[in-house]
Amino acid sequence: AQSVAQPEDQVNVAEGNPLTVKCTYSVSGNPYLFWYVQYPNRGLQFLLKYITGDNLVKGSYGFEAEFNKSQTSFHLKKPSALVSDSALYFCAVRDAVGSNSGYALNFGKGTSLLVTP
Amino acid sequence: KAGVTQTPRYLIKTRGQQVTLSCSPISGHRSVSWYQQTPGQGLQFLFEYFSETQRNKGNFPGRFSGRQFSNSRSEMNVSTLELGDSALYLCASSPYGLGPDTQYFGPGTRLTVL
Repeated sequence: AQSVAQPEDQVNVAEGNPLTVKCTYSVSGNPYLFWYVQYPNRGLQFLLKYITGDNLVKGSYGFEAEFNKSQTSFHLKKPSALVSDSALYFCAVRDAVGSNSGYALNFGKGTSLLVTP
Repeated sequence: KAGVTQTPRYLIKTRGQQVTLSCSPISGHRSVSWYQQTPGQGLQFLFEYFSETQRNKGNFPGRFSGRQFSNSRSEMNVSTLELGDSALYLCASSPYGLGPDTQYFGPGTRLTVL
């Protein structure tokens, strides 16, 4: 079984401050981990993914994520938040075991990020 | 490259009716997946198609079905609509749907069941 938890429903941060959106995962094998962002009335936009290798993954729009195997976490970070970053953020996991038998992502519940001016 | 397109963008139906949603993947992508997004349940996987074959299926009743055509376009059908089927239905495509392939999502179809 594979699952993802996003412990915070909402994160508030002031513009210019660093932001972190938390994600923890559970898989039986090695994980493929993804972050997506959703703006109102829009589909999901891909930000970044972890496959293997470097624990710090860089993605779109200045976002990065840190993979921590011992803590089974994959937190999304940005050094300086923008008001335009306000959106809904989803973490997703796919177990590498069985990943060649059809695509299915398990998503977290989402975290609403609000960046205030 | 054009992104994933979904039609229609909005639908209003009544209970008991059926509905068909359409998805055109990114050119060259052969794997198409469908997800249902609701405020209460979040994002849930419906099914995935590759080369016209359903390769994976989520935990949804048989009223939800889909198919994929030879050009990789996909449709999903919901029969005997219930109020709880009101949701945003998202289609996503990836090259082969294998390993760490990235899925790219369309804008979704907002279905409202009255």
